[in-house]
Amino acid sequence: KAGVTQTPRYLIKTRGQQVTLSCSPISGHRSVSWYQQTPGQGLQFLFEYFSETQRNKGNFPGRFSGRQFSNSRSEMNVSTLELGDSALYLCASSGLGRALANEQYFGPGTRLTVT
Amino acid sequence: DAKTTQPNSMESNEEEPVHLPCNHSTISGTDYIHWYRQLPSQGPEYVIHGLTSNVNNRMASLAIAEDRKSSTLILHRATLRDAAVYYCILNYGGSQGNLIFGKGTKLSVKP
Repeated sequence: KAGVTQTPRYLIKTRGQQVTLSCSPISGHRSVSWYQQTPGQGLQFLFEYFSETQRNKGNFPGRFSGRQFSNSRSEMNVSTLELGDSALYLCASSGLGRALANEQYFGPGTRLTVT
Repeated sequence: DAKTTQPNSMESNEEEPVHLPCNHSTISGTDYIHWYRQLPSQGPEYVIHGLTSNVNNRMASLAIAEDRKSSTLILHRATLRDAAVYYCILNYGGSQGNLIFGKGTKLSVKP
């Protein structure tokens, strides 16, 4: 079974621009979560989507948004980029939904650099 | 959010057992205890999870205290590939996708 894939793997943007990152979950998984990892703040939860609905949201400004499609693929968008948005953005998928404890499978991440 | 406390770093010798502790004194009855690890330059990797009873899988064992206020991840024979940052996380209801990562424990394995 193919793992979680994220595209692109690396991205360089300029302050003020916007960016869209893509995540394809493991086949059959319906939950997709996004995380931001920086050396200073560590791994921080951004948001989670389940069956095209945002189920949980972390403490990030409204410039960070996401969506999920009917095939469970997800995108996250960051508008008006700031230098501090430079980070590794990780996507994770899980398969059991609401009922049971389940593990998350992480992708390799997208390394975003804002100049 | 429920919090966990882990040592910043630990060292182990190759082929010896490693016990990674985690304190979670404010755990609620519905919190599952999850462990993930992150190898250098990779995304986090699921290791194990449990609720009340001790758990074993091919990667590790999880020992949970009777009062559930602490737990220990046990790697039975550390290898150089086990060098990573290990995160202990409480997950409300177990199935929520909003894992709250702390700083974790950086494990070094010496040959």
